[in-house]
Amino acid sequence: QEHLVESGGGVVQPGRSLRLSCEASKFRFKDYGMNWVRQAAGKGLEWLAIISYDGRSNYYADSVKGRFTISRDNSKRTLYLQMNSLRPEDTAVYFCTRSSPLDHDDAFDVWGQGTMVTVSS
Amino acid sequence: DILLTQSPSFLSASIGDRVTITCRASQGISRHLAWYQQKQGKAPKLLIYTTSTLQSGVPSRFSGSGSGTEFTLTISSLQPEDFATYYCQQYNVYPRTFGPGTKVDIK
Repeated sequence: QEHLVESGGGVVQPGRSLRLSCEASKFRFKDYGMNWVRQAAGKGLEWLAIISYDGRSNYYADSVKGRFTISRDNSKRTLYLQMNSLRPEDTAVYFCTRSSPLDHDDAFDVWGQGTMVTVSS
Repeated sequence: DILLTQSPSFLSASIGDRVTITCRASQGISRHLAWYQQKQGKAPKLLIYTTSTLQSGVPSRFSGSGSGTEFTLTISSLQPEDFATYYCQQYNVYPRTFGPGTKVDIK
């Protein structure tokens, strides 16, 4: 069974930085695009960013563009989200999820369990 | 950005009921629409992709239809394990966007 496990969440002060990780197992990580999606408490899902299978291209939501950076290390089967200049409104559970136009038509078919990020002074 | 709206935002139904949720896109997205189910405290689960393709392992009481800007998710006979929040998502263009969700509750 394909598996994604996020880590790195925690409590951080506004303006500070945090890096999330997402470790993949039981599938060919290097074949898939990877995404970050977040969900604030009691709210809906918000897509944040995607990185291509080879790391050469990425896209961001306007809400995080210029503050967050998505990256990956295929040798470590790990996805990252570097979050800078954090704001209280970034408080949410952060999920990683995979996608591929060659598999499930680019829908998000495997999700991690999420990691909680709280931005508060 | 493509805005997705869902209706209703909340519905109360009984076991065995037929339930339909509608998702409308602010512009055409071909058939690049997915449906996810999310239970409290859990990650979303892919139910349907490409508008109507059932994800492996998802019961056949779930079905999807539509194209262009209007899509529906139907549960033919609601079961106890179906009480959850359902989200539509377009993956036709960036940024990917989700609908606001429809919470299905027990009547």
